[in-house]
Amino acid sequence: EPEVTQTPSHQVTQMGQEVILRCVPISNHLYFYWYRQILGQKVEFLVSFYNNEISEKSEIFDDQFSVERPDGSNFTLKIRSTKLEDSAMYFCASSEILGQGVNSPLHFGNGTRLTVT
Amino acid sequence: QKEVEQNSGPLSVPEGAIASLNCTYSDRVSQSFFWYRQYSGKSPELIMSIYSNGDKEDGRFTAQLNKASQYVSLLIRDSQPSDSATYLCAVIPLEYGNKLVFGAGTILRVKS
Repeated sequence: EPEVTQTPSHQVTQMGQEVILRCVPISNHLYFYWYRQILGQKVEFLVSFYNNEISEKSEIFDDQFSVERPDGSNFTLKIRSTKLEDSAMYFCASSEILGQGVNSPLHFGNGTRLTVT
Repeated sequence: QKEVEQNSGPLSVPEGAIASLNCTYSDRVSQSFFWYRQYSGKSPELIMSIYSNGDKEDGRFTAQLNKASQYVSLLIRDSQPSDSATYLCAVIPLEYGNKLVFGAGTILRVKS
């Protein structure tokens, strides 16, 4: 069964450094997403991406964050100047279009655990 | 106002029993509803999707949706210890949106 893949599985970085989290969505999916989950808290929406542009973003997704689809398969999340509070599990997800008013489920990758020291 | 609310639990049931998980949502125009299972340290895994009022069954799982009451539930029959996990209710709160909003999840513990 097709799956979303994320690399790396664990990233440790120092405060103030930039990190890039990578994702390969399911190949026929057209919507891509980033979510994060701070330890012990709920899964939070960061950003959605469709047709090579951001379609929606949350208040968490400030100027520190950016997303890019550099080629036909990869989808990346860049975090500039990381802070301690950015430590979390970051999940990439993708979905297809089912039709008007019917939303396809999101399929999640295994996540990247980001630790900022 | 929280968009998706769940009882955090833990909900403890004996092996073989029915586990009942509940969720309410605030946005009346929501059309798409999902249940995900999340094991500790792992990613959310889709169990069920439901779009219309009523029941939808898939193996040991039954999702129930009542749009008038803004309520969605998940029943797990013949609960197994391997069902022990956090169950996340998720809703797409706009009629033509695609952003999935999660509840905080209910911890289920199945005791053998």
